[in-house]
Amino acid sequence: DAGITQSPRHKVTETGTPVTLRCHQTENHRYMYWYRQDPGHGLRLIHYSYGVKDTDKGEVSDGYSVSRSKTEDFLLTLESATSSQTSVYFCAISDAGQPPSYGYTFGSGTRLTVV
Amino acid sequence: AQKVTQAQTEISVVEKEDVTLDCVYETRDTTYYLFWYKQPPSGELVFLIRRNSFDEQNEISGRYSWNFQKSTSSFNFTITASQVVDSAVYFCALGGGGSNYKLTFGKGTLLTVNP
Repeated sequence: DAGITQSPRHKVTETGTPVTLRCHQTENHRYMYWYRQDPGHGLRLIHYSYGVKDTDKGEVSDGYSVSRSKTEDFLLTLESATSSQTSVYFCAISDAGQPPSYGYTFGSGTRLTVV
Repeated sequence: AQKVTQAQTEISVVEKEDVTLDCVYETRDTTYYLFWYKQPPSGELVFLIRRNSFDEQNEISGRYSWNFQKSTSSFNFTITASQVVDSAVYFCALGGGGSNYKLTFGKGTLLTVNP
């Protein structure tokens, strides 16, 4: 069992269209994160969630919004996709137990191409 | 702000050579966590190790070893007797205590092991 799944795995969309990526977990972890991976930049945090309806911005949040209405789902929305948002998007989950296990489990990634 | 520097963008070695991947970090936190992740050509991100800031013991796991030195803010990763299957991008990451468990990643080092 993967424990964390991302959908879709691949998507091609046109500039200006809205796009929503989904991250689903079955681990009941409190923390969820969205990162993007680009050549020469490594992984950069877009948004994260520390509980249902509790979200905050990361270092590259412009042009993105998120929602978390239940523990298992964390949605990332590109309101109006631009070519600069062509990237591979990774979702991660973390369980902050006592002591915190502190380490991510990553999804398989979504490759998004904006044309 | 936290920062992770992986100065080596790409490394190429011949099989059976030893190779060290460098990681230097910056943080003002007194408690923090360091990680290494592997990303093989298939694209998934695989957790390798976590080290707490208060535990400077080096660790060895098979052909992998990690050297954590707080005095130089470094957490280097050595692969002994490299194999073709070690070819991947390796990411070093840093997380601070009480930071909602966000991780800051380096830009990664692409390791190519040639037969």
